[in-house]
Amino acid sequence: AQSVTQLGSHVSVSEGALVLLRCNYSSSVPPYLFWYVQYPNQGLQLLLKYTSAATLVKGINGFEAEFKKSETSFHLTKPSAHMSDAAEYFCAVIGGGGSYIPTFGRGTSLIVHP
Amino acid sequence: EPEVTQTPSHQVTQMGQEVILRCVPISNHLYFYWYRQILGQKVEFLVSFYNNEISEKSEIFDDQFSVERPDGSNFTLKIRSTKLEDSAMYFCASSGDRTNTGELFFGEGSRLTVL
Repeated sequence: AQSVTQLGSHVSVSEGALVLLRCNYSSSVPPYLFWYVQYPNQGLQLLLKYTSAATLVKGINGFEAEFKKSETSFHLTKPSAHMSDAAEYFCAVIGGGGSYIPTFGRGTSLIVHP
Repeated sequence: EPEVTQTPSHQVTQMGQEVILRCVPISNHLYFYWYRQILGQKVEFLVSFYNNEISEKSEIFDDQFSVERPDGSNFTLKIRSTKLEDSAMYFCASSGDRTNTGELFFGEGSRLTVL
């Protein structure tokens, strides 16, 4: 079975501050992990993915995430928040059971203050 | 750039009514999906569709739900007799291959409100 937990339904940061969005997963096999972003009035789009290559994954718009097996985590970070980063962020896992269907978390809303 | 389109963007219906949500996946994609998100909750998988048949479905996808690809472009989700708890945002997605290494391409969603 696979599942995703995103801690914090809302994260608020100031423009220029570090962004940290947390994601923990459970998986019966080595997982594939994804972060998707949803900007207002748009569909979800892939931000980055981990598929068992380098543990530090770089995505679009300056975001990156690190796969930590010991902590079963895949937290998303960005060194300096921009107003345009305000969006909903979803973590997803594909983790075995013979299924290739991603399981998503509940999402974290990132609020960026000027 | 190719995109997944969904209609309607918002539908309000009375409990017990039938609803059809429509999606046009990216034209060369082979795998199609429906997810839903009840307000404040997780994005939940409903069903996947490949080669004109359901390939996987979740426990949520009961007899009240059905999917169809009536022609070469549309992919529809039908809810036969809506309930209050069906109120949610419904997302359609498509992919060119199985998603172990690929990605899903999502539409903007259809918000369903059941009164």
